[in-house]
Amino acid sequence: NAGVMQNPRHLVRRRGQEARLRCSPMKGHSHVYWYRQLPEEGLKFMVYLQKENIIDESGMPKERFSAEFPKEGPSILRIQQVVRGDSAAYFCASSPGTGETEAFFGQGTRLTVV
Amino acid sequence: KQEVTQIPAALSVPEGENLVLNCSFTDSAIYNLQWFRQDPGKGLTSLLLIQSSQREQTSGRLNASLDKSSGRSTLYIAASQPGDSATYLCAVNTGNQFYFGTGTSLTVIP
Repeated sequence: NAGVMQNPRHLVRRRGQEARLRCSPMKGHSHVYWYRQLPEEGLKFMVYLQKENIIDESGMPKERFSAEFPKEGPSILRIQQVVRGDSAAYFCASSPGTGETEAFFGQGTRLTVV
Repeated sequence: KQEVTQIPAALSVPEGENLVLNCSFTDSAIYNLQWFRQDPGKGLTSLLLIQSSQREQTSGRLNASLDKSSGRSTLYIAASQPGDSATYLCAVNTGNQFYFGTGTSLTVIP
């Protein structure tokens, strides 16, 4: 059973371009979480999704950021018109359910905006 | 709002020492608490998961305790090794998200 797979591992975008980050949860997991880790800072929650539904997006910036978790395929975190401040490591976690479940994290996507 | 604090922020110890990392949280309404390890430039590796009804969990040289009523958890590492050098993060699960502390950076000196 492969772990949580994120790709790409490294992504470089110029200011104003779009960034698409993908997350394939562990087999059998239907819950996905996205976190952002800025340099020298802790992990900050962005969004929690179940298949085809956004459950909690309270940590997501109101503009330029969106997330989806379609019925088929990986979860996508999309950042439009990237700015230098978006440079960070973005981590995805998955779990089989909510409540008393363990979260498993991917290796992250390191986004650099130049 | 849940806040998670980890003390100390950094710790340096000689190889072989036993050590304790601390984690505190402000809201005791949690489902569980996880301890993670993060190596530089890498992802998070889950070390131990303690459910809210449990008091402690052990895995090898690691032992984690949870006192939910006082909002505290400790991670005990026995007989530390240079390979234990990493950042250790605790996270509390409130259902919709996991709240993370800022971590303890551990260096074990050979």
